[in-house]
Amino acid sequence: EAGVTQFPSHSVIEKGQTVTLRCDPISGHDNLYWYRRVMGKEIKFLLHFVKESKQDESGMPNNRFLAERTGGTYSTLKVQPAELEDSGVYFCASSQDQRAGHGYTFGSGTRLTVV
Amino acid sequence: DAKTTQPPSMDCAEGRAANLPCNHSTISGNEYVYWYRQIHSQGPQYIIHGLKNNETNEMASLIITEDRKSSTLILPHATLRDTAVYYCIARSSNTGKLIFGQGTTLQVKP
Repeated sequence: EAGVTQFPSHSVIEKGQTVTLRCDPISGHDNLYWYRRVMGKEIKFLLHFVKESKQDESGMPNNRFLAERTGGTYSTLKVQPAELEDSGVYFCASSQDQRAGHGYTFGSGTRLTVV
Repeated sequence: DAKTTQPPSMDCAEGRAANLPCNHSTISGNEYVYWYRQIHSQGPQYIIHGLKNNETNEMASLIITEDRKSSTLILPHATLRDTAVYYCIARSSNTGKLIFGQGTTLQVKP
């Protein structure tokens, strides 16, 4: 079974530019999550999709971040315009079932550097 | 979700058991204890979870105290590849999100 795939693995952009991160969950996983770790901080939850619906977006930092999951398959996370403090590693995870009692599978992450 | 407390770092000799403690004194009845680890710059990796009973899988064992206020993750025969940051997380069945703390950096030494 293919794991959670994230693209690109690295991205370097200038302040003010737009970047779009992509996550392909494990096939059949309805639940998709975005997390990020900024420099020196803990891994933080951003949002949770169930199929194409946003179940919980309480962790989204501001309106420069837009997440979509059209069709309930892959998801994109767009940052527009990017700021220096957005630098960090963005992780995506998926699970078949939201209920506690199931572990999540994480992707390897996208390392975003804003210069 | 309940807050968890872990020691910031631990060492373990290769081939010996690594016992990683976690305190979760405010855990509620519907919260599971999850353990994940992050090796270097990879994504977090699920290890094991439990509610009340002790659990074992191919990676590790999880021992939860009877009052559920603390738990221990046991890697029975640590290898150098087990060097990682280990996260203990309490998660309820009502939410999908995981709340990561600082974790314990486990260094396995030859």
